[in-house]
Amino acid sequence: DAEITQSPRHKITETGRQVTLACHQTWNHNNMFWYRQDLGHGLRLIHYSYGVQDTNKGEVSDGYSVSRSNTEDLPLTLESAASSQTSVYFCASSESLYRAQYFGPGTRLLVL
Amino acid sequence: AQKVTQAQTEISVVEKEDVTLDCVYETRDTTYYLFWYKQPPSGELVFLIRRNSFDEQNEISGRYSWNFQKSTSSFNFTITASQVVDSAVYFCALSEAKYSGGGADGLTFGKGTHLIIQP
Repeated sequence: DAEITQSPRHKITETGRQVTLACHQTWNHNNMFWYRQDLGHGLRLIHYSYGVQDTNKGEVSDGYSVSRSNTEDLPLTLESAASSQTSVYFCASSESLYRAQYFGPGTRLLVL
Repeated sequence: AQKVTQAQTEISVVEKEDVTLDCVYETRDTTYYLFWYKQPPSGELVFLIRRNSFDEQNEISGRYSWNFQKSTSSFNFTITASQVVDSAVYFCALSEAKYSGGGADGLTFGKGTHLIIQP
């Protein structure tokens, strides 16, 4: 069955380190998204991509970057992790604007 | 800018009661999409429904129903005869139809309503 996976599921890192969170989908969706979920804020969009070599900034993109070298993967990189980036990160993919976004299981990141 | 408001932070009801979760949205676009997602205690996000701005028909799926009213910019969600398994955080979300090449915009989420169903 097609699915969307994230790894690692849990990560502890130190302030200033570079961290990369992986997202892989097997639906062959062109559209992929990264969100972060924080108490009191709901989910907020970090970056999104419409296809290979396309990336766009979302509402809370500072300190994050993404790259899209193939259809299946959209890794999220924290260039220099900060305590404010402690959060739960969700990846999602969508066939089109007319369809729902389907979410991965999430990655819990703790920055000490 | 688009905005989604879920004014009810937490709702607690006794099993078998009906409960309505409110969602009010703001957008300047005439074409947009509304969604509801469920996040159970296990943490995953489960898609429940999608509605486009041109379709104001209410929808019923088992014990779930949705009331979309453009006049009040609301997209409310009702659970009839609630069950303990309905306990979760429910998110309403909005996507505006601004995109190029058939791509999809990110979703703007409300802050969620924590629904507690007591046995």
